[in-house]
Amino acid sequence: EPEVTQTPSHQVTQMGQEVILRCVPISNHLYFYWYRQILGQKVEFLVSFYNNEISEKSEIFDDQFSVERPDGSNFTLKIRSTKLEDSAMYFCASSGQGYYGYTFGSGTRLTVV
Amino acid sequence: SQQGEEDPQALSIQEGENATMNCSYKTSINNLQWYRQNSGRGLVHLILIRSNEREKHSGRLRVTLDTSKKSSSLLITASRAADTASYFCATDIIQGAQKLVFGQGTRLTINP
Repeated sequence: EPEVTQTPSHQVTQMGQEVILRCVPISNHLYFYWYRQILGQKVEFLVSFYNNEISEKSEIFDDQFSVERPDGSNFTLKIRSTKLEDSAMYFCASSGQGYYGYTFGSGTRLTVV
Repeated sequence: SQQGEEDPQALSIQEGENATMNCSYKTSINNLQWYRQNSGRGLVHLILIRSNEREKHSGRLRVTLDTSKKSSSLLITASRAADTASYFCATDIIQGAQKLVFGQGTRLTINP
């Protein structure tokens, strides 16, 4: 069964550093998303991406965040200057035409120290 | 209350029993989805029910949707220890681009 692949599975970074979280969505999917889950809390929407542009973003997705689809397969989330409160599990997801639900990756656990 | 609220927050039952989890939401939706998350792991899509559907089955799962009450339930029949996980409902709301709004989840524990 097709999967959404996320790398790395765990990243530790110093406060103020930039991080790039990587995702390979399912190849024929058209819609891409990032969500995050702070430990013990619910999953929160960050951003959706379609046709090479952001289609919607949440209040959380401020100027320190950016997304990119640099080639035909990767979808990245960049956090420019990490803060302690950015520590969370970040999930990438994709969905296809016709929309039968999302496929989520297994997540990247980001720890900012 | 927020969009996509589950109850109970925690549920502990014996193996073999049925588990029922409920979800309420506030705004109009395109569809409602249920996901499972094992501790510290990713989200696994279980089932999607569209706003014009009332009930859907998948294996031991049964999902109902009542759009007049803005509520859904997930029933897991004949529970197994491996069903121990957190279960989230997520609503795909009718507003702009596709995005899911998740509830807080129900932590289900199946005791052997």
